Amino acid sequence: EDQVTQSPEALRLQEGESSSLNCSYTVSGLRGLFWYRQDPGKGPEFLFTLYSAGEEKEKERLKATLTKKESFLHITAPKPEDSATYLCAVQASYQKVTFGTGTKLQVIP
Amino acid sequence: DTAVSQTPKYLVTQMGNDKSIKCEQNLGHDTMYWYKQDSKKFLKIMFSYNNKELIINETVPNRFSPKSPDKAHLNLHINSLELGDSAVYFCASTPTGVGEKLFFGSGTQLSVL
Repeated sequence: EDQVTQSPEALRLQEGESSSLNCSYTVSGLRGLFWYRQDPGKGPEFLFTLYSAGEEKEKERLKATLTKKESFLHITAPKPEDSATYLCAVQASYQKVTFGTGTKLQVIP
Repeated sequence: DTAVSQTPKYLVTQMGNDKSIKCEQNLGHDTMYWYKQDSKKFLKIMFSYNNKELIINETVPNRFSPKSPDKAHLNLHINSLELGDSAVYFCASTPTGVGEKLFFGSGTQLSVL
C-alpha cells in the first residue's frame, strides 16, 4: 500500500529563517509527487508536481526537489504569509492520490 | 466563478440522522473525488468517479453512498450518522491523466452530536 510520511509535524520559523520540509514515500511505481498548500478553512491548493528523481521546481520562495525515496520543500527567507499546512501526495495508480499528514508551518514576524 | 463548489459549508446534526453533501465542478473535468480530513489534517480518499462511473471505493462503510448524476456533479449521502463521521469532507476534481493536479472545494465541516 502507498505510504507518505511528512516531517516535522509542525515547524515554527522566524521571518527570513530558511528551512526544509520532508516527505518520505513508499510506492510501487511513482507516477507523480505533489505538493499542496492548505490554509485554515480552505481546501488544499496545488503547488508543484514532480515526476522523476533529480527533478526540481521553484515558485517564489518555495523549491521542491525529488529523490527516489523522498521529496523536500525548501522555503527560503519565509514570510508570515507562507504560514499554512503543506501537504505531500503521491500518485501511483491511474487515479489514486495518497496524501501525507502534512507539516504545519508558522512563520513569525 | 467557483471551480469546485460544495454545499453546505457546515453541517451539524444528531447521531442516527441521514445527510447529504453536494459537489459541482465547472472545469469540465472527467474525474471527481471525495476525501475525508480528520482532526489531524490527514486527507484520506473515499471515492473516485470517472465519467459517472465508480473507480475507487476505499473500504468506506456502506452508510456512505456517493452518486454522480453527471460528470460535473458528485454527491455524498450518509446514512445513520455516527460520532466518528465528524470530519471535514472535501470534494475534488481533476482531468483524467497522470500527474494532473487536484482542484479542491472549500470543504464541508460535518459535526455529529
